[in-house]
Amino acid sequence: DQQVKQNSPSLSVQEGRISILNCDYTNSMFDYFLWYKKYPAEGPTFLISISSIKDKNEDGRFTVFLNKSAKHLSLHIVPSQPGDSAVYFCAASLDNYGQNFVFGPGTRLSVLP
Amino acid sequence: ETGVTQTPRHLVMGMTNKKSLKCEQHLGHNAMYWYKQSAKKPLELMFVYNFKEQTENNSVPSRFSPECPNSSHLFLHLHTLQPEDSALYLCASSQDRTVGYNEQFFGPGTRLTVL
Repeated sequence: DQQVKQNSPSLSVQEGRISILNCDYTNSMFDYFLWYKKYPAEGPTFLISISSIKDKNEDGRFTVFLNKSAKHLSLHIVPSQPGDSAVYFCAASLDNYGQNFVFGPGTRLSVLP
Repeated sequence: ETGVTQTPRHLVMGMTNKKSLKCEQHLGHNAMYWYKQSAKKPLELMFVYNFKEQTENNSVPSRFSPECPNSSHLFLHLHTLQPEDSALYLCASSQDRTVGYNEQFFGPGTRLTVL
């Protein structure tokens, strides 16, 4: 059974609009969460992270929200750009210097011009 | 070369072959990782090395044998694999810390096909 779930395999958004990617987890002991982005033929690249002591972290166009009671986090991209088209992975760790991350299956985002 | 490199990028092998995947990081990190990504499945952590010592083995079959001769290089030796081992194998590195998050930098991966 997957501990980190991304229930939308794909998402299409118009350029300039907001993209919202969702992630749910089952283990309440997870303490640290990351989002990675992956382009075809490249390895995943780190995007943004959030510690369980926070409920929001912002970096430019990217904001991650964490709802611990619901065991849910989301990544907001606004405004969305065609270059954001990629697969986005959510990952969770049991500790804040986590090396053992559990990854979700990913959501493919397509930003349409 | 910068970042994390992996060779070969593509590999096709038979079930009786022996091959090795190579990973090299040029970031001065002291932790390295092997991940496996099968089709339509999440990335699965296989092995973790800290300062050349293996600190994590996620119940990986013995037909996968990692080797970390120094902090910059990581190998994955493969022998008598099965077709279900066909996947994308990703290497990553990070600067091991006791506080602060452990951002991992990934290589481009090796696409392995076992016939």
